[in-house]
Amino acid sequence: DTGVSQDPRHKITKRGQNVTFRCDPISEHNRLYWYRQTLGQGPEFLTYFQNEAQLEKSRLLSDRFSAERPKGSFSTLEIQRTEQGDSAMYLCASSLRDPFNEQFFGPGTRLTVL
Amino acid sequence: AQSVTQLDSQVPVFEEAPVELRCNYSSSVSVYLFWYVQYPNQGLQLLLKYLSGSTLVKGINGFEAEFNKSQTSFHLRKPSVHISDTAEYFCAVTPLRGGADGLTFGKGTHLIIQP
Repeated sequence: DTGVSQDPRHKITKRGQNVTFRCDPISEHNRLYWYRQTLGQGPEFLTYFQNEAQLEKSRLLSDRFSAERPKGSFSTLEIQRTEQGDSAMYLCASSLRDPFNEQFFGPGTRLTVL
Repeated sequence: AQSVTQLDSQVPVFEEAPVELRCNYSSSVSVYLFWYVQYPNQGLQLLLKYLSGSTLVKGINGFEAEFNKSQTSFHLRKPSVHISDTAEYFCAVTPLRGGADGLTFGKGTHLIIQP
């Protein structure tokens, strides 16, 4: 068990560019969550998958944000036409199907938009 | 919708002293409650959770928390802190009806242990 991994750990981009982040959950976990954490705040829930099905996406911050989990394993979060306000830490978490099981968090991807 | 309020953004405590980190929540439905810890440059780690049963919950590293439904609180306590407890602590809730809504976190409390 290598835990939840995220790639890249850091991303610096220019305003208007598209960025994509990857999350690899713990192998037997079928639930995967994305959160955003800005400085001085707690993580903010964005979206959630059970296997390949995206069951909640109304919390995505705008239509510039999208997420996929095509084969029910790894997931990607894409931000199109980045803005300076998108600068934050993006966290991924995974858990077993029981929703009250512990969510295991990855180390996060820190995005800086110049 | 749910919200979580952590009343203290920073709590300085001397080593080996007791500490309490406060958490209050608001929700129109019943919730499960969690405390997570974030050590410097590390990911979030679960300290403890309350799902049902005894309102006093014990977690890792000597921490415990007490659920008070009437006061909608879930305060975290430790009888004697160590330098290694220096970290950011987050209280979180999720509705009973399922995990689809993810976790709603408070803004966090920075625990600072002074030697």
